[in-house]
Amino acid sequence: QVQLVESGGGVVQPGRSLRLSCAASGFTFSSYAMHWVRQAPGKGLEWVAVISHDGRNKYYTYSVEGRFTISRDSSKNTLYLQMNSLRAEDTAMYYCARDPEPDQLLYCFDYWGQGTLVTVSS
Amino acid sequence: NFMLTQPHSVSESPGKTVTISCTGSSGSIASNYVQWYQQRPGSAPTTVIYEDIQRPSGVPDRFSGSIDRSSNSASLTISGLKTEDEADYYCQFYDGSNVVFGGGTKLTVL
Repeated sequence: QVQLVESGGGVVQPGRSLRLSCAASGFTFSSYAMHWVRQAPGKGLEWVAVISHDGRNKYYTYSVEGRFTISRDSSKNTLYLQMNSLRAEDTAMYYCARDPEPDQLLYCFDYWGQGTLVTVSS
Repeated sequence: NFMLTQPHSVSESPGKTVTISCTGSSGSIASNYVQWYQQRPGSAPTTVIYEDIQRPSGVPDRFSGSIDRSSNSASLTISGLKTEDEADYYCQFYDGSNVVFGGGTKLTVL
């Protein structure tokens, strides 16, 4: 079955960097676009970034553009989110999620990971 | 900016049917797919409906999605309510530029 397992979260000071990982299994990873979605404590869901199935196309929400980089390594079935110049407002649970249809980008999600918590605080 | 509006909360009794609405602020909600996500307290979201009406494997057919063009809204209907259905439910839509989530609806089953 489809499994997505995030890791790499933690407590980090403002201005510092962190890299999140999402290990995928149970499906052909290289065929699906992948997303990062976050949720600040007590708040709703916010889409962060997407990478196409072949890694050629990457899109970001405005507030992280230029600071975050999404990437993937299909040889390792792993999705990444490199987060630089972190701010207090980036504090959130970060989820990776799969786009539903192979070789397409629909900007929706059918499977989610359990999340990894990022806390930005001095 | 396109927005999705959901009721803040709904409640219903076990065994009954409840419908949660999700109304688009402009344009046509039928122009792209609507998704519904369930989030139980302390847990990650899971998808109950994607591409308007599709259910991921393992989601019971008590969950169904629909679109109403006349009101520019989508609905999630849960029949035969169980206490385990108590959760927050979020609708989601892509308007061609932005991924938009509704604010969430807290479903209480009592």
